[in-house]
Amino acid sequence: DSGVTQTPKHLITATGQRVTLRCSPRSGDLSVYWYQQSLDQGLQFLIQYYNGEERAKGNILERFSAQQFPDLHSELNLSSLELGDSALYFCASTQTGGADTEAFFGQGTRLTVV
Amino acid sequence: GENVEQHPSTLSVQEGDSAVIKCTYSDSASNYFPWYKQELGKRPQLIIDIRSNVGEKKDQRIAVTLNKTAKHFSLHITETQPEDSAVYFCAASQTTGFQKLVFGTGTRLLVSP
Repeated sequence: DSGVTQTPKHLITATGQRVTLRCSPRSGDLSVYWYQQSLDQGLQFLIQYYNGEERAKGNILERFSAQQFPDLHSELNLSSLELGDSALYFCASTQTGGADTEAFFGQGTRLTVV
Repeated sequence: GENVEQHPSTLSVQEGDSAVIKCTYSDSASNYFPWYKQELGKRPQLIIDIRSNVGEKKDQRIAVTLNKTAKHFSLHITETQPEDSAVYFCAASQTTGFQKLVFGTGTRLLVSP
């Protein structure tokens, strides 16, 4: 158990809908990263938050947004869903804002858009 | 921005053989290079990392080498075992400021008994 909690584990929804994925980082970790992993694909960096503020952005679509709350949990919002958004979404947390320490991953949320 | 290429995409070896996975990166400012292992249906987990001030690091059967001049680094697994079967990801980042961790595309390693 990495200490990072993601909910829900599985999500099935229709095209055009909106979903929210939730991530609780390890106790004491201030930074949360979101990654998308499509079938047989690598880990595509979406966005990073540190202590409530957005710090780095990757290839995140405009239909996607995220935020980190005062209690440090983070939510990834995906709207106007398309079939191609079906993927495994991971969040990871680190103690600091830098990416030079071990990132602890959650178990992921598998999103299926039908 | 940083771009990390990883080869091969798949690697099949016999139990007991060695396996080598190679990565190249584009940003010469990158100085932290971790390797993550993702077993089927599970989350990625760090197995070893190396910083730019060393050229090699070893932990039991796994080792990582770094060539900063050529901007490439490699993962070496010796005496492979079936439980080494997984997808391995290399990554690169900088250690200053708020830098994102950029992953390679992954290598699926299959170790046959």
